[in-house]
Amino acid sequence: GAGVSQTPSNKVTEKGKYVELRCDPISGHTALYWYRQSLGQGPEFLIYFQGTGAADDSGLPNDRFFAVRPEGSVSTLKIQRTERGDSAVYLCASGQGRDQPQHFGDGTRLSIL
Amino acid sequence: SQQGEEDPQALSIQEGENATMNCSYKTSINNLQWYRQNSGRGLVHLILIRSNEREKHSGRLRVTLDTSKKSSSLLITASRAADTASYFCAPLNTGGFKTIFGAGTRLFVKA
Repeated sequence: GAGVSQTPSNKVTEKGKYVELRCDPISGHTALYWYRQSLGQGPEFLIYFQGTGAADDSGLPNDRFFAVRPEGSVSTLKIQRTERGDSAVYLCASGQGRDQPQHFGDGTRLSIL
Repeated sequence: SQQGEEDPQALSIQEGENATMNCSYKTSINNLQWYRQNSGRGLVHLILIRSNEREKHSGRLRVTLDTSKKSSSLLITASRAADTASYFCAPLNTGGFKTIFGAGTRLFVKA
């Protein structure tokens, strides 16, 4: 069956621009996570959704970052006024609950010039 | 939240040898999961072991959990070049939501 799909796979934009990253989770998965990964590091937790609500958004680094999941399936991570330090691979994962295995997409590689 | 810390940071072995990776954590957990990541790809779930379990097997993988020592190990037997990847442990706090990954163990299996 279809796995987690993330679009775009690559995004290059200029400093100060707004970007949206999309995640299509596995159908029926209620849990959805966003992570950010820099080279040589493990994924850094950003936000966790259970259904439509953000159960834990404590990993969002500042108020330039925002994520939504309005219908409990597709999620969008939004970054305003991008900075060069936002450059990373953004990973999305979905699962059947907070204590269940997570299924990851291949990520969006974001480069801020 | 808590982070699993993997050890060693890097491991290089010959094909056919066994590879052991360790994970330590700090507080009580609900479960602990191991993931693999190939270069440029997302993470792939390998095994989930619950706090009341001590050992779990899946194919060539064996995971142990010692809650008294707050540690876990992942053993890959008869390694293959295709096992070359980064391996991460992810302990989940009792009652927690977030998964905090460490820097991982980079395994290189030479053919």
